[in-house]
Amino acid sequence: DVKVTQSSRYLVKRTGEKVFLECVQDMDHENMFWYRQDPGLGLRLIYFSYDVKMKEKGDIPEGYSVSREKKERFSLILESASTNQTSMYLCASSLSRGGGYTFGSGTRLTVV
Amino acid sequence: GEDVEQSLFLSVREGDSSVINCTYTDSSSTYLYWYKQEPGAGLQLLTYIFSNMDMKQDQRLTVLLNKKDKHLSLRIADTQTGDSAIYFCAEFGGKLIFGQGTELSVKP
Repeated sequence: DVKVTQSSRYLVKRTGEKVFLECVQDMDHENMFWYRQDPGLGLRLIYFSYDVKMKEKGDIPEGYSVSREKKERFSLILESASTNQTSMYLCASSLSRGGGYTFGSGTRLTVV
Repeated sequence: GEDVEQSLFLSVREGDSSVINCTYTDSSSTYLYWYKQEPGAGLQLLTYIFSNMDMKQDQRLTVLLNKKDKHLSLRIADTQTGDSAIYFCAEFGGKLIFGQGTELSVKP
């Protein structure tokens, strides 16, 4: 069964900490995405990558960066966590550039 | 700009049909999608429709697309308690844009 695995289901971090959210897919997909999900706002795209070493800003990249050193791994980095980054973070991957994405189970991050 | 709108809540009785509605703004969207999110889980692709179609049926699911009005709907026949979830509409016109999600509550 194809999978997108996010390393943590729940994380609690302090304001100002550097936070790494890891995502690994085993489907040899070219494309990977990071979204955050907030009640009433749906999913908002933070960053995406269509190839190794490539990254593109999504709609809300401020306060975030990403790393894609290997095809299967796409990491989201919060350089200095703030309380307004408390959210559910969802990673996704796709084979083509259409919208048929496979999602991970999400990481619920709380910044205190 | 791009925007996808859904109502936030829908409550139905078990056995009834559910209809979840969505409006979108990007007329160049090539695909429109419905995703389902069960509690504590990520999103799961339910079904999709090409923009040149007006209907797609898949077992209990029927998707209707009115391209003129930019309106998409998902009908679930014989709704079961296991259908309780959040349903997201999404349009793809270069990138995937999601609606806010509709929380479907199915009462026995």
